Amino acid sequence: GAGVSQSPSNKVTEKGKDVELRCDPISGHTALYWYRQSLGQGLEFLIYFQGNSAPDKSGLPSDRFSAERTGGSVSTLTIQRTQQEDSAVYLCASSLEVTGYYGYTFGSGTRLTVV
Amino acid sequence: LAKTTQPISMDSYEGQEVNITCSHNNIATNDYITWYQQFPSQGPRFIIQGYKTKVTNEVASLFIPADRKSSTLSLPRVSLSDTAVYYCLVGGYTGTASKLTFGTGTRLQVTL
Repeated sequence: GAGVSQSPSNKVTEKGKDVELRCDPISGHTALYWYRQSLGQGLEFLIYFQGNSAPDKSGLPSDRFSAERTGGSVSTLTIQRTQQEDSAVYLCASSLEVTGYYGYTFGSGTRLTVV
Repeated sequence: LAKTTQPISMDSYEGQEVNITCSHNNIATNDYITWYQQFPSQGPRFIIQGYKTKVTNEVASLFIPADRKSSTLSLPRVSLSDTAVYYCLVGGYTGTASKLTFGTGTRLQVTL
């Protein structure tokens, strides 16, 4: 597609429920990244994919968080047993190649609210 | 990963040139410097990237001194629509990942 697409744009869920956030990167971009941004804060790195593999999962805050990427394209970030502190905007980005030299293209994010 | 330090906020009047400086004292040899702009409710948008000296594109210039321990983003003749948060990032390919770390950014407020 023309840009990075994320869905849903907004998600309200009850504490303890599982949620899935989807990212559709730019066609042909081999690298895909997930970040989290809490209100008024900077971006927090979560996980990075090169193709379908995730060489760097160091940013995932707990084992309730997982992500996968299939076909070198769409990625899903899953949060199990959501907690109120998981409320944030989850941003996905993709880049043409693994060096990131040409910069990231970000989606508009999914605003997750856990009530 | 090199840590960056930039002012929390800046104010400017429309039509002025704005320079935002970022410090990155422990930048590594293979690190490049990238600036992003973020509007409310949107993801960050790539502005400019450089390794050394000066880079210019249609929206901004990036000045990097010889020691590369700092960089300055220059926005010529800002308008109200340039009000946003600007992030300075330093990073590079480590062989297995290209993980750029975002700080809290500089909040630029442009007024009439």
